[in-house]
Amino acid sequence: SQQGEEDPQALSIQEGENATMNCSYKTSINNLQWYRQNSGRGLVHLILIRSNEREKHSGRLRVTLDTSKKSSSLLITASRAADTASYFCATDANQAGTALIFGKGTTLSVSS
Amino acid sequence: ETGVTQTPRHLVMGMTNKKSLKCEQHLGHNAMYWYKQSAKKPLELMFVYSLEERVENNSVPSRFSPECPNSSHLFLHLHTLQPEDSALYLCASSQGVRPAQETQYFGPGTRLLVL
Repeated sequence: SQQGEEDPQALSIQEGENATMNCSYKTSINNLQWYRQNSGRGLVHLILIRSNEREKHSGRLRVTLDTSKKSSSLLITASRAADTASYFCATDANQAGTALIFGKGTTLSVSS
Repeated sequence: ETGVTQTPRHLVMGMTNKKSLKCEQHLGHNAMYWYKQSAKKPLELMFVYSLEERVENNSVPSRFSPECPNSSHLFLHLHTLQPEDSALYLCASSQGVRPAQETQYFGPGTRLLVL
């Protein structure tokens, strides 16, 4: 069953603007991850946030986690054309953490 | 590059063909994975190998047969596939066998078209 679900499905912005993507999930998790995928390529890991963390930063990326609402958000600040990609959240598929469930992703398009 | 390579990058095959996808990781990781990515669907985990032993098989049809001869190499043998098997097949690796707790490194994928 699908665990993570990203919103919006597609997002178009101008360079320099901020982009916010959201992920909602259904069952309790231990960890949540965000990945990026350029068109037709493999996924690249961005950030892992644990259930006892509320916020993490990595460069221009900021991830928040609200376990009470079962949701996470990924904020990309001062976006660039190179940020154009699909972004996926992934959560634990089981308590042992031996598998991930990915959402369908948000497709971000940044135009210059 | 991520340190995970996949060959071929593109493959077209008929339903009666037999082909193999290859994945190699140069990261010294202990776990390797096959994922299937179809259009409009979430990434699906197919198989997980830890130290050359299969630890997860997510109800994948037997026409997909994985092989892990050593911790650096992973194969996916394909036979009598169906058109709905057309997808991007991604290989990944991680240091441990708990991908939910650590970073996975993905290869570029093999784009498969079954005619």
